[in-house]
Amino acid sequence: ETGVTQSPTHLIKTRGQQVTLRCSSQSGHNTVSWYQQALGQGPQFIFQYYREEENGRGNFPPRFSGLQFPNYSSELNVNALELDDSALYLCASSPGQNYNEQFFGPGTRLTVL
Amino acid sequence: ELKVEQNPLFLSMQEGKNYTIYCNYSTTSDRLYWYRQDPGKSLESLFVLLSNGAVKQEGRLMASLDTKARLSTLHITAAVHDLSATYFCAVETSGSRLTFGEGTQLTVNP
Repeated sequence: ETGVTQSPTHLIKTRGQQVTLRCSSQSGHNTVSWYQQALGQGPQFIFQYYREEENGRGNFPPRFSGLQFPNYSSELNVNALELDDSALYLCASSPGQNYNEQFFGPGTRLTVL
Repeated sequence: ELKVEQNPLFLSMQEGKNYTIYCNYSTTSDRLYWYRQDPGKSLESLFVLLSNGAVKQEGRLMASLDTKARLSTLHITAAVHDLSATYFCAVETSGSRLTFGEGTQLTVNP
């Protein structure tokens, strides 16, 4: 059984650019959640996708958007990058949308210069 | 808005000593998780606590949950250097949304 994978591992962008991060969920999991972890802080919930629909969103602006595909993999897109977007982005998958343990991927480290 | 508070935020302890990390949260929830994070790495699941009074132990770590007091503890027994890491508690609310504490950075010194 393959765990949650994310790509790329590291990414460097400049302010104003756009970025796409990718996540493959664990086999059998139909729910993907994204979290942003700034340096020295706990992860913060960005949004969740369940069966290709957004199913809850945290306190993030609309320039953070996402997709989930029929195979339940997911993308996180961030437009108009700001310096404060520099963080570790974590993807987690779970077998359902309510009260199921989430399994985290290795993360993507994004640096915005 | 749900708040999750951990204390202490920084903990330096000697090998062989015992200590407890506390996690308080501000809303009703029956599900709480503890994670470990090494520098530059992702989150490693340690414990899943699913009901009031739940207690789980793994090696030198033991976690408990008191949903009435909205408090979870992570107890470290006879600490060893390998336990040095940052520990997070996370409270689950509806829709499997996790709200994390700020983390406790633990350093175990020889």
